Amino acid sequence: NAGVTQTPKFRVLKTGQSMTLLCAQDMNHEYMYWYRQDPGMGLRLIHYSVGEGTTAKGEVPDGYNVSRLKKQNFLLGLESAAPSQTSVYFCASTLGGQNEAFFGQGTRLTVV
Amino acid sequence: KNEVEQSPQNLTAQEGEFITINCSYSVGISALHWLQQHPGGGIVSLFMLSSGKKKHGRLIATINIQEKHSSLHITASHPRDSAVYICAARRRFLGDKIIFGKGTRLHILP
Repeated sequence: NAGVTQTPKFRVLKTGQSMTLLCAQDMNHEYMYWYRQDPGMGLRLIHYSVGEGTTAKGEVPDGYNVSRLKKQNFLLGLESAAPSQTSVYFCASTLGGQNEAFFGQGTRLTVV
Repeated sequence: KNEVEQSPQNLTAQEGEFITINCSYSVGISALHWLQQHPGGGIVSLFMLSSGKKKHGRLIATINIQEKHSSLHITASHPRDSAVYICAARRRFLGDKIIFGKGTRLHILP
């Protein structure tokens, strides 16, 4: 999964703090996605983007914002972190259609 | 009802056994992925299918588009195959969204 890089890999936040997770891909992919993974819930889509400058809400968007100012970067922001946002966050990207999808290594976020 | 359903949720087997994990989906798709995740690890793509069958080493993946069903098979299973296997459907249209099943936790005993 060298083509999709997530930073940071680990982070501990206090309730109310803000942070931004970065997903970067160097494959010129149009589509990018942010997911969260929680025990027993599988991966759920937070927000996604179908191209530079566009974003859309997924299944669980509340408490998160995103931006896609550059095609290669998809940022996920938490304005005021809550303990319910403790999770592992994964980013994915693809050219779309029947092209392969690639996944980042995940960001483990703990909100205390 | 989830758009992507996997079964079983958990599977324990002896080394050497033939393993089958099933995935059913209820939406139109452009492709289906089988993914592997080891505990605390990242997600690795094993297969992407849009029709037929693919084989890689001891792993085989099949898909039946008409029945909206896919299977992942592991032949001659080994303890190192122990992981969570996830089925993910790439939605046709709708931003090519990838919808995940909840995963199958596989444990292979030596």
